[in-house]
Amino acid sequence: EAQVTQNPRYLITVTGKKLTVTCSQNMNHEYMSWYRQDPGLGLRQIYYSMNVEVTDKGDVPEGYKVSRKEKRNFPLILESPSPNQTSLYFCASRGQGGRTEAFFGQGTRLTVV
Amino acid sequence: GESVGLHLPTLSVQEGDNSIINCAYSNSASDYFIWYKQESGKGPQFIIDIRSNMDKRQGQRVTVLLNKTVKHLSLQIAATQPGDSAVYFCAGRGAGSYQLTFGKGTKLSVIP
Repeated sequence: EAQVTQNPRYLITVTGKKLTVTCSQNMNHEYMSWYRQDPGLGLRQIYYSMNVEVTDKGDVPEGYKVSRKEKRNFPLILESPSPNQTSLYFCASRGQGGRTEAFFGQGTRLTVV
Repeated sequence: GESVGLHLPTLSVQEGDNSIINCAYSNSASDYFIWYKQESGKGPQFIIDIRSNMDKRQGQRVTVLLNKTVKHLSLQIAATQPGDSAVYFCAGRGAGSYQLTFGKGTKLSVIP
């Protein structure tokens, strides 16, 4: 089954404790991206990657890092989480020439206290 | 840049009626638009897309209309069912860009 898998689905952490949210897709897609979703603000792009070792900032990259060492994985890294990063996070992927971001993960609800 | 928004935050319809969800965009150079459905506790799910060289596209029970003159698109859902209850997002992409800009969403509630 074609899918984008995020882990964990839920996470509560403390300010300053480094964390990683993993994202994996099994569709051999080139393009992957991370979004955060906040009430009243909709979906905002954090980072995206057009292929292995190619990443770029989205609209709200501050406080986040990503890496793309292999095609299927695109982890989101919060080196020093802060409460304003409490949000619902989505990873998405698409192939070249295909529908843009046709596949989203199930989401990771992060709470930073 | 691209700015995409929805006219109404909530919409309630009777089961069996048709639903129309509207969206406006600001970038006249946008060349691609998508509608997504997001059910509670799930990620956005692709519904239908349309390119700027079209003004209408139909899927199963859904139709997207694009009016480039007034920079407006709409999603029509025929014979709305309880399973259609969700938040619907429009998204647009500027020509030559990989990035999508999402609207804030309209919550559709279907009254049995």
